[in-house]
Amino acid sequence: KQEVTQIPAALSVPEGENLVLNCSFTDSAIYNLQWFRQDPGKGLTSLLLIQSSQREQTSGRLNASLDKSSGRSTLYIAASQPGDSATYLCAVSGTGANNLFFGTGTRLTVIP
Amino acid sequence: DAGVIQSPRHEVTEMGQEVTLRCKPISGHDYLFWYRQTMMRGLELLIYFNNNVPIDDSGMPEDRFSAKMPNASFSTLKIQPSEPRDSAVYFCASSFARNQPQHFGDGTRLSIL
Repeated sequence: KQEVTQIPAALSVPEGENLVLNCSFTDSAIYNLQWFRQDPGKGLTSLLLIQSSQREQTSGRLNASLDKSSGRSTLYIAASQPGDSATYLCAVSGTGANNLFFGTGTRLTVIP
Repeated sequence: DAGVIQSPRHEVTEMGQEVTLRCKPISGHDYLFWYRQTMMRGLELLIYFNNNVPIDDSGMPEDRFSAKMPNASFSTLKIQPSEPRDSAVYFCASSFARNQPQHFGDGTRLSIL
């Protein structure tokens, strides 16, 4: 069974700092990888989706990379803002089905 | 676009009672997913549908759980009888296609006393 790990579990940074969140997965036979953001009491918001054939995706201040062979993905957030404070989850989709396997998330706090 | 709509937002009931959670996916989305989120286990897929047909229900914890999708705009997740260990946040999500992002509702926070 696919296992997804996110490190660190929590991260606090001062406003304006660039930061990297890490995600690793055990089975490299993935279909795609998604990064989500979850605010307290809310559902998940999809940030970026990387297909297995891609190496990175960018949206505004966010950049996600994928190294399928090593089972790793990173989410880079540039010039962090207090509004970026949330829990960030990565999820991988296997090739045989459409189900997503989620990591346990990284809780980010950006300090003004 | 209204997004994925779930109801109720909160449900508190006593163990043994039947619980029904409801979901309206985004119009035009062919895939619908039910997830459960707990502190201990994180987010887990329970079941998903493609074109109203259940495709994978291997995540449904036991026979007390059932899900239906009678049409493209409505799905239910039912727990009967409910138990305290079913307490969690239940999310519904939908996507246009397999290689497209999943869009989540705000969830139903379920508490079984």
